[in-house]
Amino acid sequence: QQQVKQSPQSLIVQKGGISIINCAYENTAFDYFPWYQQFPGKGPALLIAIRPDVSEKKEGRFTISFNKSAKQFSLHIMDSQPGDSATYFCAPGVTGGGNKLTFGTGTQLKVEL
Amino acid sequence: GAVVSQHPSWVICKSGTSVKIECRSLDFQATTMFWYRQFPKQSLMLMATSNEGSKATYEQGVEKDKFLINHASLTLSTLTVTSAHPEDSSFYICSARDAASGSSQETQYFGPGTRLLVL
Repeated sequence: QQQVKQSPQSLIVQKGGISIINCAYENTAFDYFPWYQQFPGKGPALLIAIRPDVSEKKEGRFTISFNKSAKQFSLHIMDSQPGDSATYFCAPGVTGGGNKLTFGTGTQLKVEL
Repeated sequence: GAVVSQHPSWVICKSGTSVKIECRSLDFQATTMFWYRQFPKQSLMLMATSNEGSKATYEQGVEKDKFLINHASLTLSTLTVTSAHPEDSSFYICSARDAASGSSQETQYFGPGTRLLVL
């Protein structure tokens, strides 16, 4: 599987602050770019996803920014809350290639009061 | 909507025994399901793609004779870990895609996971 790297590996943000997580990929065939949220002992849940024909997508407090030329996309969490404390994974995929997702290395977010 | 369940949620077994894990799509039909494995504090690694009515496609390095996958209906896929050993202890997670036309074909809905401990 192609490598998908996330940064930072871990992140501590104060309540109300902005959390930013980055994802860098190598496979130029990826055409679907989702972010998943996972709580301990649970399966991941889709947060937000973007297709490469747009550079930004916002849903509530969550925004994806996509930079095709740099092969990077990022997740911004506005007004971060303690309930956002979880592990976040980017998982780009190729929709025409069986829709397999390649999960990133993960970022552990902790939002402090 | 789009709920995926797994059973059991956790299992402890002796080395050498086989364990079956079920993955069900509760409110949609899934022609394709995926099986992942996740070790503590690590990412999810795709093990295989399960297609209804056909053989599963395994990722490189995954032993198909050890991890048997059956996708006999549009709502059920099973993963059997045969002759389990302590190194097979992990968190196994399935996901499913909604086969209905008009649904987002890219979206994978994940189950809650099954924790396997082999003694």
